[in-house]
Amino acid sequence: GQNIDQPTEMTATEGAIVQINCTYQTSGFNGLFWYQQHAGEAPTFLSYNVLDGLEEKGRFSSFLSRSKGYSYLLLKELQMKDSASYLCAVRPPAGNMLTFGGGTRLMVKP
Amino acid sequence: DTAVSQTPKYLVTQMGNDKSIKCEQNLGHDTMYWYKQDSKKFLKIMFSYNNKELIINETVPNRFSPKSPDKAHLNLHINSLELGDSAVYFCASSQDLSTGNQPQHFGDGTRLSIL
Repeated sequence: GQNIDQPTEMTATEGAIVQINCTYQTSGFNGLFWYQQHAGEAPTFLSYNVLDGLEEKGRFSSFLSRSKGYSYLLLKELQMKDSASYLCAVRPPAGNMLTFGGGTRLMVKP
Repeated sequence: DTAVSQTPKYLVTQMGNDKSIKCEQNLGHDTMYWYKQDSKKFLKIMFSYNNKELIINETVPNRFSPKSPDKAHLNLHINSLELGDSAVYFCASSQDLSTGNQPQHFGDGTRLSIL
C-alpha cells in the first residue's frame, strides 16, 4: 500500500521562502510529482523527481531522498498568487496510477 | 484549445439516479484516468484506461464504470447514485509510459451534488 503525508496547512509572507514537506511509505516507487491546485480549479503539474537531489524550475524547486522516503517543494519569492494547495503524488513501480497525499493548503499573506 | 475537457461542470441530481460525465482530451495521449476529490480535498484515483487495459482501484464500487468509445474519450457512468458520491470528479490524461516525466493533465472537474 501507499501512505503519503503532508502538512495540512501552512502560512507564509509575500516575498519569503516556504518549504512544503512530503513523506511517503510505499510498497514501490517510480517517481514523485508535485501539483498545484487553486481553489475550484484543476491540479496543474509543477515538478517531477525520480532520482535523489534537487530539481530547480524558476521560483520552484523540488528535492527527493529515496532512502528517507522524503521530498520537499521549495517556493521562493512568494507571491499572493501562490496561495493554493500543493499536492505530492507517488507513482508505483508499474503503471501510472498516482497516489496523492492530502495536499498542503498554503496561504500567502501580504 | 482546451487540452482535457469535461462536461458537465456542475451536476445536481437525486439519490438513486443514473448519470454520466463525459471527458475528452486533444493531447494525443494514450492513457486516461478518473479521480474523485472529496470534501476534504483528498484526490483518489478511480480508474486508469488505455486501449490495452482497464485498471480499477479496488475501493471503487461497481456502480461506477468507465466507457471509452475511442482513445480521446473516457466517460464515467454512475448507477444508483448515493449521498456519498457527492464530490468533484476529475478526468486526466497522460502518455502511457511508466518512466520519465510524463505528468498527468487534468480537466476542470465536475462538481456532483446528490440531493
